[in-house]
Amino acid sequence: DIQMTQSPSSLSASVGGRVTITCRASQSISRYLNWYQHKPGQGPKLLIYGASSLQTGVPSRFSGSGSGTDFTLTISGLQPEDFATYYCQQSHSTPPYTFGQGTKVEIK
Amino acid sequence: QMQVVESGGGLVKPGGSLRLSCAASGFDLSDYYMHWIRQAPGKGLEWISYISGSGRTIDYADSVRGRFTISRDNARNLLFLQMNSLRAEDTALYYCSRATYYHAGAYFFDYWGQGTLVTVSS
Repeated sequence: DIQMTQSPSSLSASVGGRVTITCRASQSISRYLNWYQHKPGQGPKLLIYGASSLQTGVPSRFSGSGSGTDFTLTISGLQPEDFATYYCQQSHSTPPYTFGQGTKVEIK
Repeated sequence: QMQVVESGGGLVKPGGSLRLSCAASGFDLSDYYMHWIRQAPGKGLEWISYISGSGRTIDYADSVRGRFTISRDNARNLLFLQMNSLRAEDTALYYCSRATYYHAGAYFFDYWGQGTLVTVSS
């Protein structure tokens, strides 16, 4: 099974600030990497697919990069509605379709 | 408006059974692979099962294999998860999600419900 490791597990940031979350796969997954935002009481929301493609309707302050085993989600100009937990997910291999353990972004 | 809505969660004793449902609207369920994903309290997301549009291809996570059964009724646009031999560690919020393929073998989960809570406790 492919393991996905996110870092950090949590971080504090200010409104208007820049946030970078990393995700590492235990083996190469090419660019088969998706990012989701999850808020309490809601289902997760797709932000980025294919490592760097922005899902329709997602603000351009969200961006993704990487390939192979190392990936990054960046939020530039953090907004109050961005405080949430973020997950990476690999869609490269046969099941299980693993998620990272999550990164909680909190207000500083 | 496309959406999925889960139902059927509740409190059940260890060893008991529960059947979850997921109602899809705004799209034809038969055109999509559908997945169940869960989140235990204080934990991250765990994929547990998927079923192809026709229902012919199915798979499970090792943690639920042999105890859970995924199925679908395309005529009624419904997805199901039959959960037997439930354990305390199955306590979680259960989500159904639609998978959309954008490239050969590459997909993402683009529609999720709000989840239905399953609590396994004596």
